[in-house]
Amino acid sequence: RKEVEQDPGPFNVPEGATVAFNCTYSNSASQSFFWYRQDCRKEPKLLMSVYSSGNEDGRFTAQLNRASQYISLLIRDSKLSDSATYLCVVNLNQAGTALIFGKGTTLSVSS
Amino acid sequence: GAGVSQTPSNKVTEKGKYVELRCDPISGHTALYWYRQSLGQGPEFLIYFQGTGAADDSGLPNDRFFAVRPEGSVSTLKIQRTERGDSAVYLCASSFVDTQETQYFGPGTRLLVL
Repeated sequence: RKEVEQDPGPFNVPEGATVAFNCTYSNSASQSFFWYRQDCRKEPKLLMSVYSSGNEDGRFTAQLNRASQYISLLIRDSKLSDSATYLCVVNLNQAGTALIFGKGTTLSVSS
Repeated sequence: GAGVSQTPSNKVTEKGKYVELRCDPISGHTALYWYRQSLGQGPEFLIYFQGTGAADDSGLPNDRFFAVRPEGSVSTLKIQRTERGDSAVYLCASSFVDTQETQYFGPGTRLLVL
């Protein structure tokens, strides 16, 4: 079983749609959680950290459920510019631990 | 300010050859990570440096892979006797300290082994 699993996608939605991505992680010792965005042939960039209380950044809302080991990302009012691959990421927050990435879910927003 | 830079941006080599990939982290970042991303996959951890020392090399797939960071800044990932399965994007990331800080990624080196 992969340490971080995501919806396979791709997600093809029209502009203005609301889309949700789900992710589960296997290591209960995971301490930090993130969503990264990766554009085609570009490096991953941090979209937002995910906190237990849930957090929002404009049209983006992230949720974490530690009991279920589940992370989500909701994008409201999708824009063409949201088209990218979204990577669910965890780490153990211990010295020397690296980020553990899911395979990513591709989103394509069309007009 | 300048971000993480990686050279070359693309590298094509033949099976069996030796390659070196370079990473120049953000100035002042003590932690440096190498990841490998194959097509359709997320990045996978290779090795982590804290300063000059490799604090965790558990992600290196085999002994053909080696990395150094002699002065605690620039790092070089070295691959001996390259194989076609080594073809991937090699990403470098850096941060101020280890896992507590955001990791900033470089643009990657696309390695193609023919």
